[in-house]
Amino acid sequence: GAVVSQHPSRVICKSGTSVKIECRSLDFQATTMFWYRQFPKKSLMLMATSNEGSKATYEQGVEKDKFLINHASLTLSTLTVTSAHPEDSSFYICSARLGLAVNEQFFGPGTRLTVL
Amino acid sequence: GEDVEQSLFLSVREGDSSVINCTYTDSSSTYLYWYKQEPGAGLQLLTYIFSNMDMKQDQRLTVLLNKKDKHLSLRIADTQTGDSAIYFCAEKGSTLTFGKGTMLLVSP
Repeated sequence: GAVVSQHPSRVICKSGTSVKIECRSLDFQATTMFWYRQFPKKSLMLMATSNEGSKATYEQGVEKDKFLINHASLTLSTLTVTSAHPEDSSFYICSARLGLAVNEQFFGPGTRLTVL
Repeated sequence: GEDVEQSLFLSVREGDSSVINCTYTDSSSTYLYWYKQEPGAGLQLLTYIFSNMDMKQDQRLTVLLNKKDKHLSLRIADTQTGDSAIYFCAEKGSTLTFGKGTMLLVSP
């Protein structure tokens, strides 16, 4: 099946620094990638939809200047958490869409961000 | 708005059947999904059902959909310890909306 990777899997950073998380589709091209945030005992919340070559579409309540998304190629999207604060600590998951069929959205393993 | 609810925890013995329930609110959902998340891993699509179906069976998995009550369930027959994971239901309306996840613990 299609594989989506994320890097790093875990990152610990100091408050005020920026952190970049990469999402790659390893064996397929993805024109659309999604970024989710997962809180403990909470559902996955869609943060933004990233389309290759264009600006990301952010969900209501998500600060686009804080969570910078770049989808520079058909296999790579990046999420940069700028000026991170402890409340940004969370599990971030990306997914990539292979096509428009119902079972063609594949998820990465997630990145655990801890901001001290 | 879209909201998906599921119970947070289920414990069963190996060999028993597991039933995980989910309710949703978006009547325009076209598809409903069940995902499995194992520790440290991404979400794996287990199965899905089109909104005009009321049942789908796939090996040990049976999905039941009551569209009138907006109720979805996942039954796992002959549950194994390897089935221990968090199970998310999700509905596809304008976006994919997930429930909070049900942690399934299978004891030997």
